[in-house]
Amino acid sequence: QKEVEQNSGPLSVPEGAIASLNCTYSDRGSQSFFWYRQYSGKSPELIMSIYSNGDKEDGRFTAQLNKASQYVSLLIRDSQPSDSATYLCAVKGGGGADGLTFGKGTHLIIQP
Amino acid sequence: GAGVSQSPSNKVTEKGKDVELRCDPISGHTALYWYRQSLGQGLEFLIYFQGNSAPDKSGLPSDRFSAERTGGSVSTLTIQRTQQEDSAVYLCASRRTILTGELFFGEGSRLTVL
Repeated sequence: QKEVEQNSGPLSVPEGAIASLNCTYSDRGSQSFFWYRQYSGKSPELIMSIYSNGDKEDGRFTAQLNKASQYVSLLIRDSQPSDSATYLCAVKGGGGADGLTFGKGTHLIIQP
Repeated sequence: GAGVSQSPSNKVTEKGKDVELRCDPISGHTALYWYRQSLGQGLEFLIYFQGNSAPDKSGLPSDRFSAERTGGSVSTLTIQRTQQEDSAVYLCASRRTILTGELFFGEGSRLTVL
């Protein structure tokens, strides 16, 4: 059974600072990783995908992957109040023909 | 359509009634997934379709749950004899094929069983 672990938070970060969200996964063979953002009462929205070790940057977001440590992270630079949401880490596999297995999410609060 | 469309957005029903939830995936997406999200919980995989077939029904919580997909497009999730523990948000997602990793979600159907 594939597992994805995240600290549920809440993680409180001051506006303008860097928010760091972490995720570990159990299946060493996993190859594809995703970060979704979910606002309260809304559906998950894809932010980033990452497939190779190292960093991948997209605007204020950077995803980091370390397959040896089975660790994925998401950095949000210059955090804004609008970044306040639950961030879900997902790993391909475990949900029907390589659907996604999700962590329970980290609740991020950006303090103005 | 431009995105995944689900209906109804909200459904309140009495215990013991049957409910149907509908999902219309992104046009051209062959793979369709149903997930359930209970309050404060993560996303729980229920079932997926490749075309009209559902090779993996392992996530359905009981035989009260069933799903079908017709014409390789619209899918219906049916819950018979609803129970209070069925209360959750039911999310549908699609992707172009089973090989592409990114799932795109609809806005969900919030089910409340009284």
